[in-house]
Amino acid sequence: NAGVTQTPKFQVLKTGQSMTLQCAQDMNHNSMYWYRQDPGMGLRLIYYSASEGTTDKGEVPNGYNVSRLNKREFSLRLESAAPSQTSVYFCASSEGGGPGIQYFGAGTRLSVL
Amino acid sequence: GQQLNQSPQSMFIQEGEDVSMNCTSSSIFNTWLWYKQDPGEGPVLLIALYKAGELTSNGRLTAQFGITRKDSFLNISASIPSDVGIYFCAGIMYSGGGADGLTFGKGTHLIIQP
Repeated sequence: NAGVTQTPKFQVLKTGQSMTLQCAQDMNHNSMYWYRQDPGMGLRLIYYSASEGTTDKGEVPNGYNVSRLNKREFSLRLESAAPSQTSVYFCASSEGGGPGIQYFGAGTRLSVL
Repeated sequence: GQQLNQSPQSMFIQEGEDVSMNCTSSSIFNTWLWYKQDPGEGPVLLIALYKAGELTSNGRLTAQFGITRKDSFLNISASIPSDVGIYFCAGIMYSGGGADGLTFGKGTHLIIQP
């Protein structure tokens, strides 16, 4: 089972460049999430989507936008990358319909120079 | 917002030793989860706990849902090199609807010396 797939695995950007991180899940889950992980900070929620067609801000949404393209796919866009956005980004999904266990992708390691 | 205090932040142990870590909160949670993150990978669910007082095992791992519902514990017996990684606790509070809400601890780094 593929589970949650993230692309790319690694990316280097220059300050001001834009890019989109892709996430897809094949578990027919309703809810999807984007987190960033920084040393000593744990996992911080950027945006989430409770169901297809809806998105909401998490703890650290500034500088990011998201799109829930369909039930399977949830993308994260950096319009103008900044060095402070250097991080490891994780996508997760859960069955939804209420609180539940989240399943994570392998992550995208992003460096902004 | 809710916060989880996870301790210790890091552990340096010898292979074969037992490991204990915990997670505490000022808030009550309905579900406690323990994840493990291997270097370069995403977190993987180890154990889920659904009832206060519940004790659940997964191989050499044992986790408990605290009676007060404000804490949880994870023990690893007879550690082996592949236990190296970051262990995260997470709590879920049911809020009556809306998106799933998961609060994560900041993780315990486990380092094993052969």
